Amino acid sequence: EDQVTQSPEALRLQEGESSSLNCSYTVSGLRGLFWYRQDPGKGPEFLFTLYSAGEEKEKERLKATLTKKESFLHITAPKPEDSATYLCAVQAGAGSGGKLIFGQGTELSVKP
Amino acid sequence: NAGVTQTPKFQVLKTGQSMTLQCAQDMNHNSMYWYRQDPGMGLRLIYYSASEGTTDKGEVPNGYNVSRLNKREFSLRLESAAPSQTSVYFCASSEWGGVYEQYFGPGTRLTVT
Repeated sequence: EDQVTQSPEALRLQEGESSSLNCSYTVSGLRGLFWYRQDPGKGPEFLFTLYSAGEEKEKERLKATLTKKESFLHITAPKPEDSATYLCAVQAGAGSGGKLIFGQGTELSVKP
Repeated sequence: NAGVTQTPKFQVLKTGQSMTLQCAQDMNHNSMYWYRQDPGMGLRLIYYSASEGTTDKGEVPNGYNVSRLNKREFSLRLESAAPSQTSVYFCASSEWGGVYEQYFGPGTRLTVT
């Protein structure tokens, strides 16, 4: 069964304290891995797509990496405005179409 | 360019009542999706529509029906609401046929008492 697990469930950082969020996946034929940001009371907002192991994508203080079993979202020198829930999702095998399987998310809190 | 819009934003129903959640997108996407989000459960797919005229079940379809009205609009209907359907509902849209990101609406918070 295809599965996505994110850790930790919650992460509290001080402003400027770098860290990483983990997304482990077990799927039959990964086609793509997505990272989203979700602010309270809003819909998920797309951040990155990673397609194959070894790929990296960056946006401001965020950097996403991908291996054959997991993805990391590295946050460098975070600011309070980076506080949000970060969701990971995978698109599996050819027969899955555009369907995504989501992890439960990591709630990030950055204190000034 | 509004992206994905959903109505209503909030709704309270009594057990057994019915309602329809509306979703529209202006990005000319072929595919549309309905998810529910519950604490600790993540986003779970209810139904999706790969293209106009087609709909398919997702992970948690029981108690719901959908209609792809046209390319822009995809509605979700609860025929007889139950407390277990209390959740936040999100509509999303994307291109079809490859690996494409989905774009989400702002959500509908539904409470069934």
